Amino acid sequence: QQQVKQSPQSLIVQKGGISIINCAYENTAFDYFPWYQQFPGKGPALLIAIRPDVSEKKEGRFTISFNKSAKQFSLHIMDSQPGDSATYFCAASSAGGTSYGKLTFGQGTILTVHP
Amino acid sequence: NAGVTQTPKFHILKIGQSMTLQCTQDMNHNYMYWYRQDPGMGLKLIYYSVGAGITDKGEVPNGYNVSRSTTEDFPLRLELAAPSQTSVYFCAASGLPRNEQFFGPGTRLTVL
Repeated sequence: QQQVKQSPQSLIVQKGGISIINCAYENTAFDYFPWYQQFPGKGPALLIAIRPDVSEKKEGRFTISFNKSAKQFSLHIMDSQPGDSATYFCAASSAGGTSYGKLTFGQGTILTVHP
Repeated sequence: NAGVTQTPKFHILKIGQSMTLQCTQDMNHNYMYWYRQDPGMGLKLIYYSVGAGITDKGEVPNGYNVSRSTTEDFPLRLELAAPSQTSVYFCAASGLPRNEQFFGPGTRLTVL
């Protein structure tokens, strides 16, 4: 019940295209959904995050869409650029008193944007 | 402000040996986490700490131990290393639960 399932495993997009990465979760106690971006040889870094009181959050070219009833959320990268080529992880955590911010990560998506 | 630093960057360990992965943060954050990252598996939580002197197990704690004597340091100890512990290890720190976790650059460990 703690799993977060992410798809696709890898994604190739042309420059200027839209990249879409999907995640699904089972634990209804999850109420914080961040996306992390990781470049080769580096640690992950927070890209954008959403809480379930909104269905969409946009920051620049990056948008999270959230569907609470379906227990799904997705990352959309508009006007994808070669510099966006990285591994993207969705994650989730719950608000419970003993969760202590522990994140459950998806399996990751390797995004390649061709020039 | 260095953020989260980890040493060493790379290490090769023989089966049965022990070692400590170091993690230090200069952000005065109470929450710290150790993850391991394996290809196609995402990041799995090994141990976490909510403050000096307080630690608890995560999803995959077997074969590891931690301590937290100061706010800044959160070392991860591998005892009797096994090939299954070959992985990239990341330490992270957060000021509050469910706030941004700041990750270190990672330690790539190979057990042969």
